[in-house]
Amino acid sequence: NAGVTQTPKFQVLKTGQSMTLQCAQDMNHNSMYWYRQDPGMGLRLIYYSASEGTTDKGEVPNGYNVSRLNKREFSLRLESAAPSQTSVYFCASSPQVGAGTDTQYFGPGTRLTVL
Amino acid sequence: AQSVTQLDSQVPVFEEAPVELRCNYSSSVSVYLFWYVQYPNQGLQLLLKYLSGSTLVKGINGFEAEFNKSQTSFHLRKPSVHISDTAEYFCAVIFQGGKLIFGQGTELSVKP
Repeated sequence: NAGVTQTPKFQVLKTGQSMTLQCAQDMNHNSMYWYRQDPGMGLRLIYYSASEGTTDKGEVPNGYNVSRLNKREFSLRLESAAPSQTSVYFCASSPQVGAGTDTQYFGPGTRLTVL
Repeated sequence: AQSVTQLDSQVPVFEEAPVELRCNYSSSVSVYLFWYVQYPNQGLQLLLKYLSGSTLVKGINGFEAEFNKSQTSFHLRKPSVHISDTAEYFCAVIFQGGKLIFGQGTELSVKP
C-alpha cells in the first residue's frame, strides 16, 4: 500500500514550457487535491476533485489545468510555465466524496523550478 | 475573509523543554480544526483534529491541542520535545462547509 505517489520528484523547466505532474492513490479515496507550498504562505489549494469525473477551482487556479483520469489518478498541467509557478506541489486525497472533515493524505511532493 | 494565522514562523527550543505553537483563526462560526506536521523532505501528515466534543484533543507523538472558541484559537502543545519533533507544523481550518485553509506554518527546531 503506497498511499499517495507523485511523479516526478524534481523538475526544472524554462519559461513557456509545459508539463504534467502526475498523482495516484491506492486507498480507494473519492476526493483528490492539488496544493502548492511557498515559503511563508503555507499550502494553497489549486484544484480539487470531489469525486471521479468532477473538478473545481481552488484558491489559486490561474495557469493550471487538471484531469481526474479515473478514481486513482489526478494530474496537474502547466500549459506555459512561468517563474511565479516555482514551488513545491503536493497532491492529497481523502476518503469521502466532497471531503467534508476527512483527514487528507499527502504525497511526498514535486519540487518545480521555472527559469 | 476567512484566514488562519500562526503567530510564530520559527520556534527554537531545547530538547525536553515544553513547547506551544500558536494558531488563531478569523471567525467564530462553526469550524473544524486540524494540525498537520511536515518532516523534512516529506508530505504532510495529520497530528490531530477537532470536530466536536471535548475541547482538549490528543494526537500522535504526545502532542495535544485545545480549542478555545471565545479566543478563536487552537494552540498545539507538547510537555517535553525530542530532537525527532524537528519539523514544520501547520494549523488548518475548515470554515462552515468550505475547504481546508492552511496557516503559514511554524518551524519547530529542537536543539540538544
